[in-house]
Amino acid sequence: AQTVTQSQPEMSVQEAETVTLSCTYDTSESDYYLFWYKQPPSRQMILVIRQEAYKQQNATENRFSVNFQKAAKSFSLKISDSQLGDAAMYFCASPPGNYGGSQGNLIFGKGTKLSVKP
Amino acid sequence: DSGVTQTPKHLITATGQRVTLRCSPRSGDLSVYWYQQSLDQGLQFLIQYYNGEERAKGNILERFSAQQFPDLHSELNLSSLELGDSALYFCASSARTGDPRGGGNTIYFGEGSWLTVV
Repeated sequence: AQTVTQSQPEMSVQEAETVTLSCTYDTSESDYYLFWYKQPPSRQMILVIRQEAYKQQNATENRFSVNFQKAAKSFSLKISDSQLGDAAMYFCASPPGNYGGSQGNLIFGKGTKLSVKP
Repeated sequence: DSGVTQTPKHLITATGQRVTLRCSPRSGDLSVYWYQQSLDQGLQFLIQYYNGEERAKGNILERFSAQQFPDLHSELNLSSLELGDSALYFCASSARTGDPRGGGNTIYFGEGSWLTVV
């Protein structure tokens, strides 16, 4: 079965500092997207950033960036200049494999709860 | 606002009952996904529809069923409810089934429907 592993159940960061959340996956596809979603206390799932696996360049969205290591199947999220509003659960997601254009669903890791200290 | 609309937002019902959750995808999106988020199981993929047809099935119980209508809205039917069915049910949508080169599988989530079975 395809899996997504987030090895850090909880992380804490000081406001304005940088934190990195880890994720590994094991899809067998060669071309795919990877995603980080944020779930604040409101429980809404918010797309943070996505990475195209066939691109070498790491994706960046403002203070959020990824470190994508395709060979290692590693996809970490770096949050720079952390803000109080970044406190949330963060989920890494990847396709289940056997993409073939017939599926688009994602498999999610169990999440990392990020706390931001003022 | 993701553009995905779910109703109702909250629902309390008794064991053995049946409920229907409704979802309107983002304008133009053909794929609809249903996910269940519970405390012990994390975020679980239930089922995907693409343009009215079932495209992928995950960990969906036989007591649960879904459909996507010609106007592309979707309904998730949960029957013979048990206490363990209490969870947050998300609907999500994407433009296509999943073309990694087209970016069509970026999934956008609704705010979820909280189901409490008592």
